[in-house]
Amino acid sequence: GDSVTQMEGPVTLSEEAFLTINCTYTATGYPSLFWYVQYPGEGLQLLLKATKADDKGSNKGFEATYRKETTSFHLEKGSVQVSDSAVYFCALNHGNQFYFGTGTSLTVIP
Amino acid sequence: DAGVIQSPRHEVTEMGQEVTLRCKPISGHNSLFWYRQTMMRGLELLIYFNNNVPIDDSGMPEDRFSAKMPNASFSTLKIQPSEPRDSAVYFCASSFGPSLDIQYFGAGTRLSVL
Repeated sequence: GDSVTQMEGPVTLSEEAFLTINCTYTATGYPSLFWYVQYPGEGLQLLLKATKADDKGSNKGFEATYRKETTSFHLEKGSVQVSDSAVYFCALNHGNQFYFGTGTSLTVIP
Repeated sequence: DAGVIQSPRHEVTEMGQEVTLRCKPISGHNSLFWYRQTMMRGLELLIYFNNNVPIDDSGMPEDRFSAKMPNASFSTLKIQPSEPRDSAVYFCASSFGPSLDIQYFGAGTRLSVL
């Protein structure tokens, strides 16, 4: 069946460092892919999305490119800030099914 | 819009008691989801409704859990009887449209069963 696998955390970075959080998926056909972010004490909120191969989603300096050849949707940011500390979830939507990854905790230290 | 509203924000109860969690989705949204989040199991989809009808309840752990959506603006998740292993954060989310595209999450209910 469909699934999403994302890199284990936690991830700790210094401010202004480069961030990559890996996400790969398994699905038949052409799912939509998402990154959600959960700040402490809050619910998840959509960070970015891509609906077809080679699409790039971007928001708040974060980017992810839908790579069908490698079935990946890695999240990147060139220079992280302390305010980016949160848990990041990769997710997949295929028809009536929605799958979340296990989440990757990011802590950015000044 | 106020977003998805969940109540209560925190619930502490004793084993064996009935617990009812409540959710008000965003007005106009026609899909509603209940999730459970724990450190051990991550985020799990329990059930989702479309146009007030349960579509997929395969994630509901057992008969102690039940969910209802009597109208488009209200849903409940009930646990009876509650057990310590039910302790978790429960999220409600809603979305608009035929696909489960962008989901808007509430702030969650933190449940502790003693």
